[in-house]
Amino acid sequence: DVQLSESGGGLAQPGGSLRLSCVASGFTFSSYAISWVRQTPEKGLEWISAISGGGTSTFYADSVKGRFTISRDNSRNTLYLQMSSLRVDDTALYYCAKWRDYYGSGSYLTNWGQGTQVTVSS
Amino acid sequence: EVVLTQSPGTLSLSPGERATLSCKASQSLSSTHLAWYQQRPGQAPRLLIYEGSSRATGIPDRFSGGGSGTDFTLTISRLEPEDFAVYYCHQYRNSPTFGLGTKVEFK
Repeated sequence: DVQLSESGGGLAQPGGSLRLSCVASGFTFSSYAISWVRQTPEKGLEWISAISGGGTSTFYADSVKGRFTISRDNSRNTLYLQMSSLRVDDTALYYCAKWRDYYGSGSYLTNWGQGTQVTVSS
Repeated sequence: EVVLTQSPGTLSLSPGERATLSCKASQSLSSTHLAWYQQRPGQAPRLLIYEGSSRATGIPDRFSGGGSGTDFTLTISRLEPEDFAVYYCHQYRNSPTFGLGTKVEFK
């Protein structure tokens, strides 16, 4: 079975940093694009970033571009999200989610982790 | 950005009833760009329907998706107790977006 497990969330101050991790199992990790999607009661689900299977291509929503960095270590079946210059409105439940195969038009998210909570507050 | 508008916001129904959920896109989409997810309280979203009308693995046939262009629907033919949840539509055409969801609650 496909499993995705996020960690690394917590409380951070505005302007601070956090690094999220997502450990995957049950599939050939390097063959699939993976995304980070966050959820808040106010804005719902928001896609924020994606990375190709090989890690050579990365994509970001405008809301996080220049502040967040997605990366992966295929030898460890692990996805990362380095979050910097955190803002109060980055407070959310952060999910990692696996794409059908590639990240691109016509694809879709097939599996999601359980999420890790990030709270940005002074 | 393609904006997805879901309606109604809440649907109050009883087990055994039919649920029809709407998702309207701000731009025309191919049905291959539209998916539906179910989210139960405290759980992650689960893929129900992909490419507009194809059921994901393990999804019962009481769930069906349809539509084209800017208007898409998710139909649950006969609600089971485990179907009371929030449902989201999702598109990937040029940048992924999600609707705000429809909550199906007990009447």
